Amino acid sequence: DGGITQSPKYLFRKEGQNVTLSCEQNLNHDAMYWYRQDPGQGLRLIYYSQIVNDFQKGDIAEGYSVSREKKESFPLTVTSAQKNPTAFYLCASSIAPDRASPLHFGNGTRLTVT
Amino acid sequence: GDSVTQMEGPVTLSEEAFLTINCTYTATGYPSLFWYVQYPGEGLQLLLKATKADDKGSNKGFEATYRKETTSFHLEKGSVQVSDSAVYFCALTINKFYFGSGTKLNVKP
Repeated sequence: DGGITQSPKYLFRKEGQNVTLSCEQNLNHDAMYWYRQDPGQGLRLIYYSQIVNDFQKGDIAEGYSVSREKKESFPLTVTSAQKNPTAFYLCASSIAPDRASPLHFGNGTRLTVT
Repeated sequence: GDSVTQMEGPVTLSEEAFLTINCTYTATGYPSLFWYVQYPGEGLQLLLKATKADDKGSNKGFEATYRKETTSFHLEKGSVQVSDSAVYFCALTINKFYFGSGTKLNVKP
């Protein structure tokens, strides 16, 4: 079955360390996205990519970085510059970045930084 | 700017009760509208969608109608089950996705 795989499910890091969250999709989707979810809040867009080797900042990109070297993969690095990194991170993809294409989500990675 | 507002939760219902979760939107163009469901510890799953005015999206007994005149997309289900307990998100997209803050539904046996 096609889908989006995020790993690991839980991640623990010490403050000051960079950490990379994995996202792989086998849906052959062009567009990929990273969202952050905090308790009781909606989703906030961190970065998105519409094509390989290209990506754009979302609403809360500060302290994060991404790469898109392969169509299937869109890893997110949470750097030590991110002031409040503890959150639930969701990766998503869509066939194309048009208004009718729904987002397909992975099962998320819960990051805890102490 | 574009945005989605949905009713605050939690919503607590008994099994077999009627469900309505309100969602209204603000958009400068002609958005597509979506409802997503999130079970504990998981990602969001697409529940239903509507891409133009008066469209009705439906899935698993849930339905929502795209009402342009009232800028609404309320989620309804005639008889909820315990297994429907989850968080429900309303969303719109024109050139990017905008999500509501989510409504938690608790269904008691």
